[in-house]
Amino acid sequence: QITLKESGPTLVKPPQTLTLTCTFSAFSLSISGVGVGWIRQPPGKALEWLALIYWDNDKRYSPSLKTRLTITKDTSKNQVVLTMTNMDPVDTATYYCAYSLLGGFDPWGQGTLVIVSS
Amino acid sequence: QSVLTQPPSVSGAPGQRVTISCTGSSSNIGAGYDVHWYQQLPGTAPKLLIYGNTNRPSGVPDRFSGSKSGTSASLAITGLQAEDEADYYCQSFDSSLGGSFVFGTGTKVTVL
Repeated sequence: QITLKESGPTLVKPPQTLTLTCTFSAFSLSISGVGVGWIRQPPGKALEWLALIYWDNDKRYSPSLKTRLTITKDTSKNQVVLTMTNMDPVDTATYYCAYSLLGGFDPWGQGTLVIVSS
Repeated sequence: QSVLTQPPSVSGAPGQRVTISCTGSSSNIGAGYDVHWYQQLPGTAPKLLIYGNTNRPSGVPDRFSGSKSGTSASLAITGLQAEDEADYYCQSFDSSLGGSFVFGTGTKVTVL
């Protein structure tokens, strides 16, 4: 079955750049229609969509965070990487990656908590 | 800020029916984009509950149902059970500002 797992630092100092990796299995990001997205959730708050990359390398970003985000894929390694620049304490959140087909997200990775603090 | 608005909380006794609304606009739900619903149990990742407005993935009980009309969508839970106590989120696509995915503000369901 499809699985995804996020990896990256737990603690980031402002204004460092955060780099997160999503490693997945049981699908290929070269198949038509497939995408991988990133979503975050600050403690006790709602989900916020960040970015998504499609099989054809089309990339979509949250309008409010677009200037700080970059999403890339390595199809041979089954990985998607998200970078977020100029990290701030308000960016403290659990970051999830998820498989996307037909506009929804399923399944999701377990999430990785990122704390931004000096 | 989310462009999909949900009530912060709903509650019901076991066995009752509760509904959660998801209000959007003409650039997302009203434009015909599908609405998907997720259930997030405490301390876990969200799980897809309803996709394509009305469809249940394999394994999701038929107590959960989705609907969509105009610029809004709804999730109904019938025969409420204690295990349904969780946070629920709607999600769609928004065509403004170049096109992006959007989540609802989230609703906490409490089983009394």
